[in-house]
Amino acid sequence: GQQVMQIPQYQHVQEGEDFTTYCNSSTTLSNIQWYKQRPGGHPVFLIQLVKSGEVKKQKRLTFQFGEAKKNSSLHITATQTTDVGTYFCAGPKEAAGNKLTFGGGTRVLVKP
Amino acid sequence: NAGVTQTPKFRILKIGQSMTLQCAQDMNHNYMYWYRQDPGMGLKLIYYSVGAGITDKGEVPNGYNVSRSTTEDFPLRLELAAPSQTSVYFCASSWVAGGLFEQYFGPGTRLTVT
Repeated sequence: GQQVMQIPQYQHVQEGEDFTTYCNSSTTLSNIQWYKQRPGGHPVFLIQLVKSGEVKKQKRLTFQFGEAKKNSSLHITATQTTDVGTYFCAGPKEAAGNKLTFGGGTRVLVKP
Repeated sequence: NAGVTQTPKFRILKIGQSMTLQCAQDMNHNYMYWYRQDPGMGLKLIYYSVGAGITDKGEVPNGYNVSRSTTEDFPLRLELAAPSQTSVYFCASSWVAGGLFEQYFGPGTRLTVT
């Protein structure tokens, strides 16, 4: 079945530094979504990418969808303590549906 | 709008007991979902519904049942609770149409089975 893998599993970042987390799917995706979950909280939708090669920015966060639509990345610049949490990518199992397969997440810890 | 609400927030069950986790949304979303999240792990889909009266299994449905009699409510029933069902349970909803598939999550129910 479809698998979605994220690396790294953990990311320790010095405040102010940049980092990138990666998401890889075993199958081609019609779209990919990213969610953030703060410690003790619930997942919150960040963004959806649909087009091959698409790049979207949200302030210090840059999201990219690969050309083959099987991978994605999230790059955070000038990391802040507010960036602490787990970032999940998720892709739909079927082209037209919204039954998502979630990756295992990247847990981000920020050192002040 | 309250969004997606879940009750209870916390629950401790003894092995073999049963309970219903409640979920409600006030956004008139057609799709609703139940996920479980084990410590340090991602989310696994238990059941989902594409509309009132229609439900289907996700990745890990064993030991659970759902019903969807209204657009707003999507309760999850645990029968004969087992320690393996200790987890955080999230309900979510989305409006699937027009290409944007954002899912809105409830605050979760933390369940311990001992």
